[in-house]
Amino acid sequence: SQQGEEDPQALSIQEGENATMNCSYKTSINNLQWYRQNSGRGLVHLILIRSNEREKHSGRLRVTLDTSKKSSSLLITASRAADTASYFCATALFSGGYNKLIFGAGTRLAVHP
Amino acid sequence: DTAVSQTPKYLVTQMGNDKSIKCEQNLGHDTMYWYKQDSKKFLKIMFSYNNKELIINETVPNRFSPKSPDKAHLNLHINSLELGDSAVYFCASSQGGTSPYNEQFFGPGTRLTVL
Repeated sequence: SQQGEEDPQALSIQEGENATMNCSYKTSINNLQWYRQNSGRGLVHLILIRSNEREKHSGRLRVTLDTSKKSSSLLITASRAADTASYFCATALFSGGYNKLIFGAGTRLAVHP
Repeated sequence: DTAVSQTPKYLVTQMGNDKSIKCEQNLGHDTMYWYKQDSKKFLKIMFSYNNKELIINETVPNRFSPKSPDKAHLNLHINSLELGDSAVYFCASSQGGTSPYNEQFFGPGTRLTVL
């Protein structure tokens, strides 16, 4: 079954508002990554948080990780219309010297001007 | 300066045909992947190669055969196409090696439609 599940499936907000997306997973992980996918395009890496980290920032992005609850959240502050995209969390399982990413189904974010 | 490129971008074909999708990366990465994204947007790994060696094979039907002529290329050949193969296929690459903290770089995707 899918490792990561995002919540909500879809989110619609106004420009300037904050957007929060959540991700839950089932097994122990090495790290968790967030990716963005614009319509009709490939995925773009946003941020990686290691299993021993609790919070990480990158520009307007803030990611938290709670390994006890097996959950992560992505916060986008002061959203812009250009942030409209699907956002995926991916849990990284490192085994045998290789990294495997397991993706959730994504959250579709729509930011209205 | 396209980092990960795929051809073709769109592929429409009849059931039963054989088709190939090509992928190339110019990032100097050691590891390449193929993912399938279905209509519900689930992205699932299919294969991974490290330095031309198969390291991940996620129980994909043997109608799918990846081929890596060198570490910059990973092609996907699909035999006897079925309706359920319709999806968007993404190629990706990463630095590989022994570090688990590698981000993956994705190509633009190939939308396969089987009629």
